[in-house]
Amino acid sequence: DVKVTQSSRYLVKRTGEKVFLECVQDMDHENMFWYRQDPGLGLRLIYFSYDVKMKEKGDIPEGYSVSREKKERFSLILESASTNQTSMYLCASSFTPNSGNTIYFGEGSWLTVV
Amino acid sequence: KQEVTQIPAALSVPEGENLVLNCSFTDSAIYNLQWFRQDPGKGLTSLLLIQSSQREQTSGRLNASLDKSSGRSTLYIAASQPGDSATYLCAVRPGTGANNLFFGTGTRLTVIP
Repeated sequence: DVKVTQSSRYLVKRTGEKVFLECVQDMDHENMFWYRQDPGLGLRLIYFSYDVKMKEKGDIPEGYSVSREKKERFSLILESASTNQTSMYLCASSFTPNSGNTIYFGEGSWLTVV
Repeated sequence: KQEVTQIPAALSVPEGENLVLNCSFTDSAIYNLQWFRQDPGKGLTSLLLIQSSQREQTSGRLNASLDKSSGRSTLYIAASQPGDSATYLCAVRPGTGANNLFFGTGTRLTVIP
């Protein structure tokens, strides 16, 4: 089975702290994604990556950055956490987009910024 | 920009009932459409993926249909069970093949024993 693992399920951070959310997938997928999910707003794409060291901005990249040094790992970085970044963060991965393959999600990371 | 709508936002049905969840999208130029299930506090699990050239997909008690020209998809759940209680989301991939998926906000289903 495809596994997308998000190392931290629940985090509480203070305003201004630097936050790292880690995601690892074990299926050699080219594409990896970071979404945030908020009530009433659904899932919104923050960043995605289609190859090692490659990244593309999604719909809401402000306040975030990403790192993909290895194919299996995609990190989301909050340089200076703010309370409006309190949310559930979901990592996902998939094969080449035009193959029409399924996208697989991790279990999510609940971040609270106080 | 593609907009995906799911109505109703919440639905309660008695166990055993057949039900239909709806998904509509504004731009019919899609590559594919996917239905997901999300349990509280968890990630999304893919249920069915329909390519733009397909009309429907089936998996067990689930059947998803796609009418691309009218911008609609339905997820049919037969003989509902309490274990089906979850939030169901649909998502479309643009016809350009771009990476982004556009998600609806989901329908929260409760199946009452």
